[in-house]
Amino acid sequence: NAGVTQTPKFQVLKTGQSMTLQCAQDMNHEYMSWYRQDPGMGLRLIHYSVGAGITDQGEVPNGYNVSRSTTEDFPLRLLSAAPSQTSVYFCASSYSWGAVGYTFGSGTRLTVV
Amino acid sequence: DAKTTQPPSMDCAEGRAANLPCNHSTISGNEYVYWYRQIHSQGPQYIIHGLKNNETNEMASLIITEDRKSSTLILPHATLRDTAVYYCIVGGNYGQNFVFGPGTRLSVLP
Repeated sequence: NAGVTQTPKFQVLKTGQSMTLQCAQDMNHEYMSWYRQDPGMGLRLIHYSVGAGITDQGEVPNGYNVSRSTTEDFPLRLLSAAPSQTSVYFCASSYSWGAVGYTFGSGTRLTVV
Repeated sequence: DAKTTQPPSMDCAEGRAANLPCNHSTISGNEYVYWYRQIHSQGPQYIIHGLKNNETNEMASLIITEDRKSSTLILPHATLRDTAVYYCIVGGNYGQNFVFGPGTRLSVLP
């Protein structure tokens, strides 16, 4: 099925551990982005990419790294997890930057203890 | 980016129309109004968008005032499955990242 696939769905990390949240889309979308959502809050943009090899920072980039080596994949790396990074992470894609119809993944629920 | 203001919560009776308002008084001439919704803990879902004219699709209608400073999303016959957080966003059609505020939590009551 076409769409945005995020893995894992749930993850518990210890403070200081590193991990990579995976995001893949099979719609040949140029634009991909990562948002985080804290309880009762809207979504905040972490990083985004307007095409393979191009990434940029969003509103809350500290503590996260990204890369975009292929059109399909946009992984988000937490280098040294902190409790403040406990959140739900959503990946989104669209055919171009700012286009309507963002497609979101189902999210990764991350808890850092 | 233009900012939006939405009521934090609303109730609607099942089968009735749900009218969700949004203020965007600083919207610029080339910016669109977009609506998304987020059901429970799922990823947000695109609903509709518009520039000046009213728009309708299979999910909803969007009414934009003539001065474009506010808009209303209309769900004509709300069902329990429409219970969600609804986000109103303004932005251009290229080169801008969407900013999702806290939105309006719509509760459809039986």
